[in-house]
Amino acid sequence: GENVEQHPSTLSVQEGDSAVIKCTYSDSASNYFPWYKQELGKRPQLIIDIRSNVGEKKDQRIAVTLNKTAKHFSLHITETQPEDSAVYFCAARLRGAYSSASKIIFGSGTRLSIRP
Amino acid sequence: SQTIHQWPATLVQPVGSPLSLECTVEGTSNPNLYWYRQAAGRGLQLLFYSVGIGQISSEVPQNLSASRPQDRQFILSSKKLLLSDSGFYLCAWSVGNRGNQPQHFGDGTRLSIL
Repeated sequence: GENVEQHPSTLSVQEGDSAVIKCTYSDSASNYFPWYKQELGKRPQLIIDIRSNVGEKKDQRIAVTLNKTAKHFSLHITETQPEDSAVYFCAARLRGAYSSASKIIFGSGTRLSIRP
Repeated sequence: SQTIHQWPATLVQPVGSPLSLECTVEGTSNPNLYWYRQAAGRGLQLLFYSVGIGQISSEVPQNLSASRPQDRQFILSSKKLLLSDSGFYLCAWSVGNRGNQPQHFGDGTRLSIL
């Protein structure tokens, strides 16, 4: 069935080091891949997204790569800071009953902790 | 600018009682609307989504239902709550008809069933 798998479930890195979170998806028709950051008790917030017509996108310390052939995409955070500590979710848009809707399936999340 | 409102923020209900959670969006027309549930420490489970009034797709068979009485209003309901319905309920919206636009979440309703 439709599925998005995310690894690792928890990640601890030293402040200043890089963090990488990886996701795979099952639907080869997926064409949109957002990443969300959720702080404790708060709403998920979009931090970066990528569409299937590009292989990489960067926004300051955050980058996302997409490999359509292998059906996987990754989030890279460089020069990590304490405020990067949160749960990160990858997601993929799947074709739903209504093709115009963004039926987005989320990964299970990665709890990122930045050690001072 | 667009805003999304969910209420109530927290809710404590006994098992077997009914439920009604409301979500409204302002500043946009004909949004796609979504309900998600998040169990403690877990991911986001898509419950319902809607591309317009009267068009609702259910993703998970359960004792919940959704309705969209107005273009920018989305309601999540239950006639009889179960213990397993506890969780953090999030409403979200997106625009566009190509399915490749981000979803924006409300602040959520934390529902506890006793």
